[in-house]
Amino acid sequence: GNSVTQMEGPVTLSEEAFLTINCTYTATGYPSLFWYVQYPGEGLQLLLKATKADDKGSNKGFEATYRKETTSFHLEKGSVQVSDSAVYFCALNPGGNTGNQFYFGTGTSLTVIP
Amino acid sequence: DGGITQSPKYLFRKEGQNVTLSCEQNLNHDAMYWYRQDPGQGLRLIYYSQIVNDFQKGDIAEGYSVSREKKESFPLTVTSAQKNPTAFYLCASSIELAGIGSSEQFFGPGTRLTVL
Repeated sequence: GNSVTQMEGPVTLSEEAFLTINCTYTATGYPSLFWYVQYPGEGLQLLLKATKADDKGSNKGFEATYRKETTSFHLEKGSVQVSDSAVYFCALNPGGNTGNQFYFGTGTSLTVIP
Repeated sequence: DGGITQSPKYLFRKEGQNVTLSCEQNLNHDAMYWYRQDPGQGLRLIYYSQIVNDFQKGDIAEGYSVSREKKESFPLTVTSAQKNPTAFYLCASSIELAGIGSSEQFFGPGTRLTVL
């Protein structure tokens, strides 16, 4: 089946620290992988995506590389800011005739302190 | 500006009442989705629709109903049969690309439903 597992939170970091949020997946076929961000009281916004193995998605200083051999899509940022405080969701779209359904991880809450 | 709107942002309901959450999109997307989000949990799919006048149950459809009479609208009704309806509800849409899994989902701002 299809599923996403991401690291438990909450994560608390000091400003300018390095961030890694782990995400691994199980999927049939060749999924596309996504990271979404959710700020308090809001909907989800797409942060970055990768559609095939070895692709690197990047946006706003965040990066994630689609690793088929380890079935992983870890999110990284070299220097976090207070404004990065949010909940981060890893997701996959298995493709095929699935109605573009997504499978989401449980989310990882990040708090960045000055 | 194109996007997804949900209304109202906050909704209060007495036990035993049905309530309808609105979701409208002007992105010309074929597919629309409803998710439920509980504190500290991920998103769970309630219903989705790939085309007008057609929809499918997701993982937690019991106690909910939907309609898709227009491409841009996908309202969700939370019925009195839903035992624990207090949650944050998110609507999403996407281009329907059968066989191509790279299309992202776009989300609305959400409706927080509280049962009193």
